[in-house]
Amino acid sequence: EAQVTQNPRYLITVTGKKLTVTCSQNMNHEYMSWYRQDPGLGLRQIYYSMNVEVTDKGDVPEGYKVSRKEKRNFPLILESPSPNQTSLYFCASSIRGQGINIQYFGAGTRLSVL
Amino acid sequence: AQKITQTQPGMFVQEKEAVTLDCTYDTSDPSYGLFWYKQPSSGEMIFLIYQGSYDQQNATEGRYSLNFQKARKSANLVISASQLGDSAMYFCAMREGGTYKYIFGTGTRLKVLA
Repeated sequence: EAQVTQNPRYLITVTGKKLTVTCSQNMNHEYMSWYRQDPGLGLRQIYYSMNVEVTDKGDVPEGYKVSRKEKRNFPLILESPSPNQTSLYFCASSIRGQGINIQYFGAGTRLSVL
Repeated sequence: AQKITQTQPGMFVQEKEAVTLDCTYDTSDPSYGLFWYKQPSSGEMIFLIYQGSYDQQNATEGRYSLNFQKARKSANLVISASQLGDSAMYFCAMREGGTYKYIFGTGTRLKVLA
């Protein structure tokens, strides 16, 4: 089954404790992306990757890191989480190129930073 | 800078009636793509419909159609014959042709009444 898998689904942590949210896709997609969803703000893009070792900033990259060492994986790293990073996070993937590139989303990771 | 505006935070519609969800966008790029996603209360993001800036006809997918008015920079989603299962949050999104950055609107929460 084609899917984007995020782990964990729920995470409660404390300020300053480094964490990683994993994202993996089995569709051989070149493009992967991370979003955060906050009430009243919709989804905002954090980082995206057009292929292995190619990443770029979205609209809200501060406080986040990403890496793309393998095509299927695109982990999101919070080196020193703060309460304002409490949010619902989505990973997505798609083929790369012009035209209709439907993004397939993971189920989401709900993060609370205390 | 690209921007997506959804001015209706919440809407109600009677079952079996049609409803229009508004979306306006702003971009200076002549090449862009517009997407609509549905987010049910379970949280997943579901792709509904896509419209490319050069597409001559309005996109349709089953009960979903996109009323694309390029000169007005609007891309409204029309849902015909509403069903109770259509109750969800709906997001409009845009990708400019030359980038891999996505911008989402703040969403419209639709409630279908029996």
